[in-house]
This record gives sequence, C-alpha cells and structure tokens, in this order.
Amino acid sequence: EAAVTQSPRNKVAVTGGKVTLSCNQTNNHNNMYWYRQDTGHGLRLIHYSYGAGSTEKGDIPDGYKASRPSQENFSLILELATPSQTSVYFCASGDPGENTLYFGAGTRLSVL
Amino acid sequence: QQKVQQSPESLIVPEGGMASLNCTSSDRNVDYFWWYRQHSGKSPKMLMSIFSNGEKEEGRFTVHLNKASLHTSLHIRDSQPSDSALYLCAASIPGGNYKPTFGKGTSLVVHP
Repeated sequence: EAAVTQSPRNKVAVTGGKVTLSCNQTNNHNNMYWYRQDTGHGLRLIHYSYGAGSTEKGDIPDGYKASRPSQENFSLILELATPSQTSVYFCASGDPGENTLYFGAGTRLSVL
Repeated sequence: QQKVQQSPESLIVPEGGMASLNCTSSDRNVDYFWWYRQHSGKSPKMLMSIFSNGEKEEGRFTVHLNKASLHTSLHIRDSQPSDSALYLCAASIPGGNYKPTFGKGTSLVVHP
C-alpha cells in the first residue's frame, strides 16, 4: 500500500521558535498536501505542491511556509511558532488518477 | 474558496441500526466527492468515492449523489461498534487543480 511517513510524531515547541515538520512519500505521487486538524474544524489545507520545486498556498497559509525539494519530500515550516498553531498536522499524497489521498500518521504539535 | 458542509455534527445509533450522514458543497464546479473514515487517534482513510448521479453500494455502505443539488449522503446499514469514527466528506473540482476540500466531519457513535 502507498506509504506516507511523517516526522516527528510529537513535538513541543516554544512560542517564537522555528518548527519544521517533515513528510516523505514512496508513492511517486506528484501531488502532496499539508492539512491541520482541529476539533470543530475538520481538515484544513495549509499548503500543497504539484511536484518538486513547486508550492502553492492552500486555504489557511498565514504563518506557514512549505518546501518541496524532491518528489518524495515535502516540509512544513513554522518560522515563528505561536500557540494558535497547536494542532495535529497531516501530510498526504495523491494524484487524480488514483482517486484517493494517502495520509501520514500525523504530527501532534504543541506550542507553549 | 469552496465550502463543504456536513450534517449532523454527531450521531448516535444502536448496534444493528442505520446511520445516515449528509454532505453538501457550495461550489457548482465540484464534480467529485469522497467519504473518508477516521478512527480516534488515526489518520483518515478513504471509504468510498462517487462522481456520477445515483447510488453506489459496497457491502454495508451506500453512497448517493445528486449533482444538481451538490448533495451526497452516506448510509451505513447494520452499524457495528467498529464503525464508530469521524466521517469526513471531501469534494474537488475537475481539472489540474486537484486539492480536495474537507468538511468538518460527522462523529458517529454506535453503541452495543
């Protein structure tokens, strides 16, 4: 089955610090996505990418950057973390022809 | 930014009963819907997808789609305690801009 691996699985950060969440996929999908999940909000799209070197803003990009250095890797960067960014973050990969997104296990981030 | 609305927010059904979940998109360009299931502490996994008007059945699960009203529904018959989960509806527009938008979800509890 398609594999998406996120690291770290849990992270505690301080306000104002820099946080990098990493995602690796072995599915050879062109498209990769970062979502955050909060109670009462479902999954909200932060950034996505159509291939190496490309990043696009999703619905809630403020306070986040993304980087896609290769087909396999997609990172989410919080340059100045704030407590409002405390959440569970999911990375996903998927192409239209496959008819589904494959999600990683998630990263639980707490910003204190 | 298209919106995906799900109802009800939460649902409790007895074991063996029928669960019915609803989802509507606000974007008339949407042509594809998915239903994902997310067990507590896990990542979402695709359950069913539909893009044609009508009905699709897989085991105990049936999905309906009315493209004119942009409404889809998921019905689970003979509900089991293992069906207890968060059910997320997602929608996408056609073409190269493949970025599924998710609703807030319906939390289903099946009690023995």
